[in-house]
Amino acid sequence: GIQVEQSPPDLILQEGANSTLRCNFSDSVNNLQWFHQNPWGQLINLFYIPSGTKQNGRLSATTVATERYSLLYISSSQTTDSGVYFCAVRGGSEKLVFGKGTKLTVNP
Amino acid sequence: EPEVTQTPSHQVTQMGQEVILRCVPISNHLYFYWYRQILGQKVEFLVSFYNNEISEKSEIFDDQFSVERPDGSNFTLKIRSTKLEDSAMYFCASTSGLVGELFFGEGSRLTVL
Repeated sequence: GIQVEQSPPDLILQEGANSTLRCNFSDSVNNLQWFHQNPWGQLINLFYIPSGTKQNGRLSATTVATERYSLLYISSSQTTDSGVYFCAVRGGSEKLVFGKGTKLTVNP
Repeated sequence: EPEVTQTPSHQVTQMGQEVILRCVPISNHLYFYWYRQILGQKVEFLVSFYNNEISEKSEIFDDQFSVERPDGSNFTLKIRSTKLEDSAMYFCASTSGLVGELFFGEGSRLTVL
């Protein structure tokens, strides 16, 4: 099945810093989503981005489907950005396959 | 904005007991899913459901698990005889089409003692 690799596994930032999270996948996809899992365990939809670029406030994402990767940019990070960021993709089957996530800690 | 709702948010049960987790998907969605996440691990696919039948399931989804859409709105996951290793967060999700965005509920945390 399709493989999803996220990097880095852990990231520690000072408030105000920028960061880039990466998601590599092993096959062509028709769906790619980024999620933020908050401290209460809830999965928050950030982007649905099988290709192209999207922006939402301080967050933006780019997916280059032909090269099988996606990037999530966080600018001017805040302590509330802390949590785990998951990339998930769907290829030939119905299921969304998740990566192991990037744990982000933003210190004040 | 429409959302997927799950109940209960947290359930504690004794090993061997039956548990039913409930979900109300977004009303015009056609594809429904259950995922689980053991503490500290990644989110894993359990089962997908379309047109009143299971369309795909993972190795985790063994005979102890079942899903049902008993009416036009609810989608349930039943675990017949819970084990300690069933302790996890269970997420329900729905989507309108095979290539569309999946929307997740807030999760049901199951603790098996």
